[in-house]
Amino acid sequence: DAGVIQSPRHEVTEMGQEVTLRCKPISGHNSLFWYRQTMMRGLELLIYFNNNVPIDDSGMPEDRFSAKMPNASFSTLKIQPSEPRDSAVYFCASSLTGGGNQPQHFGDGTRLSIL
Amino acid sequence: KQEVTQIPAALSVPEGENLVLNCSFTDSAIYNLQWFRQDPGKGLTSLLLIQSSQREQTSGRLNASLDKSSGRSTLYIAASQPGDSATYLCAVRSTSGTYKYIFGTGTRLKVLA
Repeated sequence: DAGVIQSPRHEVTEMGQEVTLRCKPISGHNSLFWYRQTMMRGLELLIYFNNNVPIDDSGMPEDRFSAKMPNASFSTLKIQPSEPRDSAVYFCASSLTGGGNQPQHFGDGTRLSIL
Repeated sequence: KQEVTQIPAALSVPEGENLVLNCSFTDSAIYNLQWFRQDPGKGLTSLLLIQSSQREQTSGRLNASLDKSSGRSTLYIAASQPGDSATYLCAVRSTSGTYKYIFGTGTRLKVLA
């Protein structure tokens, strides 16, 4: 079975540019999570979707960040305009349900570098 | 506010040794606790999930225990192998927000051949 698929794997862009990260969750999973990982702050939850609806976006750092889930098989995380401090690894994860004891399955991440 | 701490931050052991990784959390009202493995340049792989009503879970050479009252979990790795080298993270799901995991900063393990 295919796991969580993220693209691109690496992204290098200049400050001020728009960045779009993509995620395809595991088929049949109704919960999707976007995380950011940095050396300083570790792994932080940015936003959580359940059945394509954003449930908790309290972790989104600023208005420059936005996320969408137009259907059950696709989500995007957009940064506009990007800044050097946004450099991090961004992970997408999905689970069968949001609550309960279902484990979260992670993609391989997008390593983002803003110059 | 739940805080999760993992000690040590890094560990280096010779092959074949049994070892214990530690995870502590400040709020004992948890729903479950999950141990993950992260290889360089990769995402997280779920190893074991312990529900709040359980004391331990086992998978192969891995055994995870949970003591809610003391706010601790341990991951025991038996007969370590070089392939076990990775970063191990624990994550706690609190009862107050059943979808959200709070992650520790991880223990970076190196098993020497």
